Amino acid sequence: GAVVSQHPSWVICKSGTSVKIECRSLDFQATTMFWYRQFPKQSLMLMATSNEGSKATYEQGVEKDKFLINHASLTLSTLTVTSAHPEDSSFYICSARRQGGKYQPQHFGDGTRLSIL
Amino acid sequence: AQKITQTQPGMFVQEKEAVTLDCTYDTSDPSYGLFWYKQPSSGEMIFLIYQGSYDQQNATEGRYSLNFQKARKSANLVISASQLGDSAMYFCAMREGDTGFQKLVFGTGTRLLVSP
Repeated sequence: GAVVSQHPSWVICKSGTSVKIECRSLDFQATTMFWYRQFPKQSLMLMATSNEGSKATYEQGVEKDKFLINHASLTLSTLTVTSAHPEDSSFYICSARRQGGKYQPQHFGDGTRLSIL
Repeated sequence: AQKITQTQPGMFVQEKEAVTLDCTYDTSDPSYGLFWYKQPSSGEMIFLIYQGSYDQQNATEGRYSLNFQKARKSANLVISASQLGDSAMYFCAMREGDTGFQKLVFGTGTRLLVSP
């Protein structure tokens, strides 16, 4: 069964709206979670690394003020797309990794399809 | 230079046959890990198999096996006895190093279509 839950699955909203996406690890604690963005027929691009209790680490070119990340607990990270515009429409997907060594894979949520009108 | 290269945009295979999906990588770190993920049309990313750089044997998980050729820096995924449900996008990914956040870098993916 799923070990990482992501919510919501779909969001359609007006331009200028802020949208919050949640990512939860269901049966393990994750001090680190990852947020990716995927455009149609393209690969996953890492946006930021979410760290429990501290500031997120953003990849080059990702606007920190645009994509707010909060990792308030060991099982929950949120991504807020602030003042979303049509160009922010994309598939956003999170992942979390169990602790316990380099062999642990990242487990992914089911993703969120965001459409900004 | 691309860290992960998947040169096959699409592959076709008949049901019950085996198929190999190519992946080459580029790193100077002696410790790294290679992952394969499957992404069906619904979007979720499903972990399939892992190979560590120091692993002596090729990884296997059920019908999935990884043909790891370290000198050639390749980590091809072999799917045996293909099934219709194997139709999906397949991504190769690499983790560099053993410390830090252990981020993954993904290839561009290969779309596999299994026909009856």
